[in-house]
Amino acid sequence: ILNVEQSPQSLHVQEGDSTNFTCSFPSSNFYALHWYRWETAKSPEALFVMTLNGDEKKKGRISATLNTKEGYSYLYIKGSQPEDSATYLCAFNSGGSNYKLTFGKGTLLTVNP
Amino acid sequence: NAGVMQNPRHLVRRRGQEARLRCSPMKGHSHVYWYRQLPEEGLKFMVYLQKENIIDESGMPKERFSAEFPKEGPSILRIQQVVRGDSAAYFCASSPNTDTQYFGPGTRLTVL
Repeated sequence: ILNVEQSPQSLHVQEGDSTNFTCSFPSSNFYALHWYRWETAKSPEALFVMTLNGDEKKKGRISATLNTKEGYSYLYIKGSQPEDSATYLCAFNSGGSNYKLTFGKGTLLTVNP
Repeated sequence: NAGVMQNPRHLVRRRGQEARLRCSPMKGHSHVYWYRQLPEEGLKFMVYLQKENIIDESGMPKERFSAEFPKEGPSILRIQQVVRGDSAAYFCASSPNTDTQYFGPGTRLTVL
């Protein structure tokens, strides 16, 4: 059974704060690590797909790093804004013949104005 | 390019009825995935389909659940004789044969 853990479960920050969350996943049989942003009542929105150890990806104020050897990824948000409030999900893909994703339970971020 | 479409968005069924959930993938996407989110749980994989083929149904309950992705038309997730434990949000995703899966808004099934 694959275990994908995310921490913290929830987080409250003030507008302008920078923050980060963690995703840990099995370090063996790794293929890809996905990050999604999920606002209530909307579709999960793909942020990043990361495949190589040491990968760093950036999209505006959001960036992510990947360590496949120790099995973790960090998501960073610089200068949080209220519109960043959402659940951030990570998902692990062990490859093989399909692209089945195993999701963590997410980190719920609330940014207070 | 319209995103992944799911309908209905909300579905209410009584115990013993059938539920049919539809998913139209993004244009050009031939891979469809269904995930389920039970209350207080994360998204769990159910089934992966390509046109007219089920590739992996390891996450789908063996009884009462079936899925198809015909040559023409949307993918259908069918739940027969629904029970209260089937109440959940069902999400569909599609991909064009790359790593990124694009999700629909989900169908929230309530079984009375």
